[in-house]
Amino acid sequence: SQKIEQNSEALNIQEGKTATLTCNYTNYSPAYLQWYRQDPGRGPVFLLLIRENEKEKRKERLKVTFDTTLKQSLFHITASQPADSATYLCALDEQAGTALIFGKGTTLSVSS
Amino acid sequence: EADIYQTPRYLVIGTGKKITLECSQTMGHDKMYWYQQDPGMELHLIHYSYGVNSTEKGDLSSESTVSRIRTEHFPLTLESARPSHTSQYLCASSEGGNNQPQHFGDGTRLSIL
Repeated sequence: SQKIEQNSEALNIQEGKTATLTCNYTNYSPAYLQWYRQDPGRGPVFLLLIRENEKEKRKERLKVTFDTTLKQSLFHITASQPADSATYLCALDEQAGTALIFGKGTTLSVSS
Repeated sequence: EADIYQTPRYLVIGTGKKITLECSQTMGHDKMYWYQQDPGMELHLIHYSYGVNSTEKGDLSSESTVSRIRTEHFPLTLESARPSHTSQYLCASSEGGNNQPQHFGDGTRLSIL
């Protein structure tokens, strides 16, 4: 079955730096991969979706890459701010396409 | 902001009680989902629905049941709560079609004593 691995340790960076979060999957290559943000006590919020035939997707300060050879997606936040502090979840479609499989997430902490 | 609402936000209740967690969305989405999430862990799908009168079990075995009588409403019921049901329950919805972004509510944090 498909498994998703995200950095288990928290990522601590200084304001203004670029944060890079990793999502690796173990089995089949998904048709789509999604990234969500989750704040404590809240539900996840959708950020970006990237398709298997797209190498890169950007939205404002966010950039996602998708490498099906490495079975990996990277999520970048440039010019990070303390307000970016949250847990970021990677999700991909399960093979039948009925639902998403989520990773445990990586907690990002941006200090000023 | 997504228009999906869950009530109650917090519930502390004794063992053996019947519980219904409410979830409503005003976006007209066909698909709805229930996830269970423990602290620091991934979301696990427990139920989903493609539309009215459609319900399916997810990957995580759950003693809960769901119904979908109206498009906007997808309640989850536990007939007899146990301490092992203590968790956060998240409801989500999405448009029809595969791989659409999901819109989440803020969850119900359930504690069974």
